[in-house]
Amino acid sequence: GAVVSQHPSRVICKSGTSVKIECRSLDFQATTMFWYRQFPKKSLMLMATSNEGSKATYEQGVEKDKFLINHASLTLSTLTVTSAHPEDSSFYICSARGLGADNQPQHFGDGTRLSIL
Amino acid sequence: GQNIDQPTEMTATEGAIVQINCTYQTSGFNGLFWYQQHAGEAPTFLSYNVLDGLEEKGRFSSFLSRSKGYSYLLLKELQMKDSASYLCAVMDSNYQLIWGAGTKLIIKP
Repeated sequence: GAVVSQHPSRVICKSGTSVKIECRSLDFQATTMFWYRQFPKKSLMLMATSNEGSKATYEQGVEKDKFLINHASLTLSTLTVTSAHPEDSSFYICSARGLGADNQPQHFGDGTRLSIL
Repeated sequence: GQNIDQPTEMTATEGAIVQINCTYQTSGFNGLFWYQQHAGEAPTFLSYNVLDGLEEKGRFSSFLSRSKGYSYLLLKELQMKDSASYLCAVMDSNYQLIWGAGTKLIIKP
């Protein structure tokens, strides 16, 4: 149980392109989804927390107009990197937490490796 | 401030036992998680401790002492596939996960 699917797994595109990443909880309802960014050999950096039906809460230093998050249903959240530039190249990972106690573990998608040329 | 400390890197031998420590200082405590992350992959959930003591799950065990702000992950009968980074994360009073930088575990034959 607790499967999270993230798509696409890898994106290579030109500078200026907008890229959408999908995160789906396959076998449970995710009231809260999290978006992380990870640079090589570094720890996870939380970018934003999204709750179904409400606006995402962004961490300090994360541009909300640059990283658009939509959590339209209990099983789907999307992250759109708008007008991506080479410095946006990174490993982006989503996670989801189900209904119930807030101290449930987060279950991660497989991540999206984004490379901007 | 909030802080999670764990060693940057550890080396162990196949078949042996290794203990990865994690100390924390957070605003409130709602549990401690251990995750395993292989290079280039997303983290996978290993264990959750919210009460003091040892939780055993197969070859992996996790221990928590809330009074000391301390946890460890114990890996027994090490296998080459256990080579990975191990992330310690604490859930604070706002149910936010505070992540450690991870411990890279290298297993040698």
